[in-house]
Amino acid sequence: QITLKESGPTLVKPTQTLTLTCTFSGFSLSSNGVGVGWIRQPPGKAPEWLALIYSIDDKRYSPSLRSRLTITKDTSKNQVVLTMTNMDPVDTATYYCAHRPVAAAGTSFDYWGEGALVTVSS
Amino acid sequence: DIQMTQSPSTLSASVGDRVTITCRASHSISRWLAWYQQKPGKAPKLLIYKVSNLESGVPSRFSGSGSETEFTLTISSLQPDDFATYYCQQYSSYWTFGQGTKVEMK
Repeated sequence: QITLKESGPTLVKPTQTLTLTCTFSGFSLSSNGVGVGWIRQPPGKAPEWLALIYSIDDKRYSPSLRSRLTITKDTSKNQVVLTMTNMDPVDTATYYCAHRPVAAAGTSFDYWGEGALVTVSS
Repeated sequence: DIQMTQSPSTLSASVGDRVTITCRASHSISRWLAWYQQKPGKAPKLLIYKVSNLESGVPSRFSGSGSETEFTLTISSLQPDDFATYYCQQYSSYWTFGQGTKVEMK
């Protein structure tokens, strides 16, 4: 059974860097083609994809946020870490990590964490 | 960037109604289209992938159709558990969500 869980600060100040950790089980990021992505959702708005890392350490970033994002993985710990620099109140959102199966499965993010609400305020 | 536009934004319906939600892509995405259901305080739940493939455990009253730039999600007979917000998502080029359609009780 695949599970994911986000952890990190609930409150960050403007200009600070946010670091979120996704700890997962039920799959391995050493399995070829599997990925873990980060998606955020501001209150009352649609989800927005941020970044994704594949098992082969290939990384993808949202073009609009690329300069602020870094995604890394620790395969031995079953963790994926997202950092976002220069946080602003508009970055207030629930941040989710999600499992992305191998491309041959033809599907998208099929398992999601419960989300972590991050508020940006001084 | 590929933009996804859903309509309507809100839909008022009754139990038993047939419900249809439309999603349009700004560029052709072939069949790389998924639908998600989200309830308040919960993560989105994958319902349908590759336009018309039901995720395991999803009731057969849900169906999807379309290709290229025009897609629809249909609920054949709305059930009490189906009142929620629905999002389309393209995964042809990165991942982009539509703005959502809230299905509310009439």
